[in-house]
Amino acid sequence: SQQGEEDPQALSIQEGENATMNCSYKTSINNLQWYRQNSGRGLVHLILIRSNEREKHSGRLRVTLDTSKKSSSLLITASRAADTASYFCATGKGGNQFYFGTGTSLTVIP
Amino acid sequence: EAGVVQSPRYKIIEKKQPVAFWCNPISGHNTLYWYRQNLGQGPELLIRYENEEAVDDSQLPKDRFSAERLKGVDSTLKIQPAELGDSAVYLCASSLTRRATYNEQFFGPGTRLTVL
Repeated sequence: SQQGEEDPQALSIQEGENATMNCSYKTSINNLQWYRQNSGRGLVHLILIRSNEREKHSGRLRVTLDTSKKSSSLLITASRAADTASYFCATGKGGNQFYFGTGTSLTVIP
Repeated sequence: EAGVVQSPRYKIIEKKQPVAFWCNPISGHNTLYWYRQNLGQGPELLIRYENEEAVDDSQLPKDRFSAERLKGVDSTLKIQPAELGDSAVYLCASSLTRRATYNEQFFGPGTRLTVL
């Protein structure tokens, strides 16, 4: 069974706008990662946040984690057409165990 | 540096036929994962190897699925016989396991299986 669920399932925005997607999970975690998957391709790791961190930045990405609410959010600022993809959160419980969510499909309209 | 290589990229078979997928991980990566991804869903782990040892195969349907990782490098995932519900993308990933650090997974492009 999958650990996380992303919300919304689909998101469509204009280029230059910000995109926010959320991930909720059920049990305690060691870390949470976000991945991107372009159509027909494998997943690419974007960013990791550990359970003792609340916020992390990487370029145009900002990730927050609220362990009390068992939720995380991914913000992509100043979106580009190339950001069009599916985004997945994956929760880690330590070691090499990871559970992926259901994904958010993002469309950035030029 | 070459990434994770998978073959074939696409496979179409009749139900009840056997099928095999091959994965070559990134050189030096000791952990290898096989995932199945159904349309519109996230990847679900089938099996994880640490070197040659299968350390997590709880989600592998063992009546029809088998996997091996000879010499702790390449890996093969087999389905015999295939069923209609096995249609999915099969993803291979690898990582370099280090103690007390997060181990980023690197994914291959996947094999898209269609069972008719």
